[in-house]
Amino acid sequence: EAGVTQFPSHSVIEKGQTVTLRCDPISGHDNLYWYRRVMGKEIKFLLHFVKESKQDESGMPNNRFLAERTGGTYSTLKVQPAELEDSGVYFCASSQGLRARSIFRQTNEKLFFGSGTQLSVL
Amino acid sequence: AQSVTQLDSQVPVFEEAPVELRCNYSSSVSVYLFWYVQYPNQGLQLLLKYLSGSTLVKGINGFEAEFNKSQTSFHLRKPSVHISDTAEYFCAVSSFSGGYNKLIFGAGTRLAVHP
Repeated sequence: EAGVTQFPSHSVIEKGQTVTLRCDPISGHDNLYWYRRVMGKEIKFLLHFVKESKQDESGMPNNRFLAERTGGTYSTLKVQPAELEDSGVYFCASSQGLRARSIFRQTNEKLFFGSGTQLSVL
Repeated sequence: AQSVTQLDSQVPVFEEAPVELRCNYSSSVSVYLFWYVQYPNQGLQLLLKYLSGSTLVKGINGFEAEFNKSQTSFHLRKPSVHISDTAEYFCAVSSFSGGYNKLIFGAGTRLAVHP
């Protein structure tokens, strides 16, 4: 079974440019999360999709960030225009189940993380 | 609001020595607690989790953690580390909102195991 796949693994862009990150969750997983880690700091929640709907986008930094999940499958996170402070590692994670609460109550459920996209804005 | 503090950003240790990675959390409600590990160039993997019941939780690769409600801690321990345990370790707490949850992570602890 394929895991969570993120593309690209690394991206180096100049300030003001646009970058689009992609996440392919495990097939059949309804829940998809985006997280970001700025160097040396905590991994911060950005948003949560349930299928194609945004369930919680409280962690999105500002309106330069746009996330979509077409047809409830893969997701993209676009940063336009990119700023220096957007540099960091962007993680995607997915889980099965209609309600995220269940994944923590059931011992056989868990979040599966991708290996992340390292974004460097110069 | 929940938060997680990992007290050590880096922990160097010699092979076969014991190690403890510290984690403190703050929460006004019942919590679920987690430890994840990230090996170089890989995604985060779940090491162990505390949902309820026994406060001593055993995970993969010989790691265990103890939930201490009075001290709001969830420290990770291993009695004898290997070179292959070199990685970054993240403590996390669940946060419920609107019927769904998300993970709140700490800043991570880099464990460096030396021969």
